[in-house]
Amino acid sequence: QSALTQPASVSGSPGQSITISCTGASSDVGAYNYVSWYQQHPGKAPRLMIYGVSNRPSGVSDRFSGSKSGNTASLTISGLQPEDEADYYCNSYTGSSTLYVFGTGTKVTVL
Amino acid sequence: QLQLQESGPGLIESSETLSLTCTVSGGSISSSGYYGGWIRQPPGKGLEWIGSVYFNTGSTYYNTSLKSRVTISVDTSRSQFSLKLISVTAADTAVYYCARHGDYGNYVQWGQGTLVTVSS
Repeated sequence: QSALTQPASVSGSPGQSITISCTGASSDVGAYNYVSWYQQHPGKAPRLMIYGVSNRPSGVSDRFSGSKSGNTASLTISGLQPEDEADYYCNSYTGSSTLYVFGTGTKVTVL
Repeated sequence: QLQLQESGPGLIESSETLSLTCTVSGGSISSSGYYGGWIRQPPGKGLEWIGSVYFNTGSTYYNTSLKSRVTISVDTSRSQFSLKLISVTAADTAVYYCARHGDYGNYVQWGQGTLVTVSS
């Protein structure tokens, strides 16, 4: 099971919106609505930001939103803020023997 | 609020067995309907799912790339679940995280992570 493909880096100015893509296959991202997204600041554990493609856990800002089209899921951060600067990872359920696969990770820089 | 904490040696020799324990506090894991997962992150690299154990039954699920070397177990009486990885090499050097997740993913709570270095 190969890692899901994400852009290595995405940047934006404060207040702007950015979108991070997460491309998988018809056997994982395309097959299930079980994509989640994680934010990771340097030296810290990941934090769940989105689950089930587009659901936000309690306490996560509504500036974060998720969607999916075909084999590609996306995370959009609107109204970009300095504290959004972090690494972001997607994850998908696969239904195969390797149940879960993470994305390659995207570094978000706030200019 | 549930909290998870990894514990175990931070330095092991090549070819030895990596053993880590995750202690869950602030709530019971038995009959919870959740899973305990292990995820690792080599320095400067991305996340890799190692495997998970279903707290209710002890059923285990492993990444096929590591399956021959990994064992995950749970001790609900101690609110702990454990990871064993045999025959380690330098490629197993990573920060190891334990996490609690629901069906189909959703890693809702994470431990702080522990760095395990494999020396040759």
